[in-house]
Amino acid sequence: ETGVTQTPRHLVMGMTNKKSLKCEQHLGHNAMYWYKQSAKKPLELMFVYNFKEQTENNSVPSRFSPECPNSSHLFLHLHTLQPEDSALYLCASSHTGQGEGNVLTFGAGSRLTVL
Amino acid sequence: GQNIDQPTEMTATEGAIVQINCTYQTSGFNGLFWYQQHAGEAPTFLSYNVLDGLEEKGRFSSFLSRSKGYSYLLLKELQMKDSASYLCAVVDSNYQLIWGAGTKLIIKP
Repeated sequence: ETGVTQTPRHLVMGMTNKKSLKCEQHLGHNAMYWYKQSAKKPLELMFVYNFKEQTENNSVPSRFSPECPNSSHLFLHLHTLQPEDSALYLCASSHTGQGEGNVLTFGAGSRLTVL
Repeated sequence: GQNIDQPTEMTATEGAIVQINCTYQTSGFNGLFWYQQHAGEAPTFLSYNVLDGLEEKGRFSSFLSRSKGYSYLLLKELQMKDSASYLCAVVDSNYQLIWGAGTKLIIKP
């Protein structure tokens, strides 16, 4: 497979569940990102990993926990979420750090619904 | 604060031309991106402008005026497949990406 692959594509969970989102890229990129996309709102950057090291955490609640075991894989662990966390979670990758003229390649997203 | 403004929704006719505007107020400027996102799909890169002027790429062109804090995406010879959301994003002085909320473009036959 090429590009950025996210699983699952859809997830419904209760507020007390624990689940994980997975992202995998086969582009040889060194930076990976988690974004939250809500209807009619700008993309919200959640976490950035550069060469497997977390370089950004934009005041994200601790119920979201990222993990980057290597430069090709990124996880977002979810625990005791709230209904307002329902959104599309996008993973992206780029050659190096964000915004330095580097193009982001996005996955198709994981649509999360919290009941 | 930093802000990117785009129209929420636009409608155009197949075969016509449409211009999607993006105005920005950011702390510094290091480039501007346009992405296309079809419903239920990944955003995909369309264009990157860092200098003033027009960049043409097939049916799509992107314009930038840094002095006015303004960009537009021009789509010519519209096709039904161009129905999508178009996201504008600016790179600020800290090399952070500031995103607009996107413009949903509806193409009618």
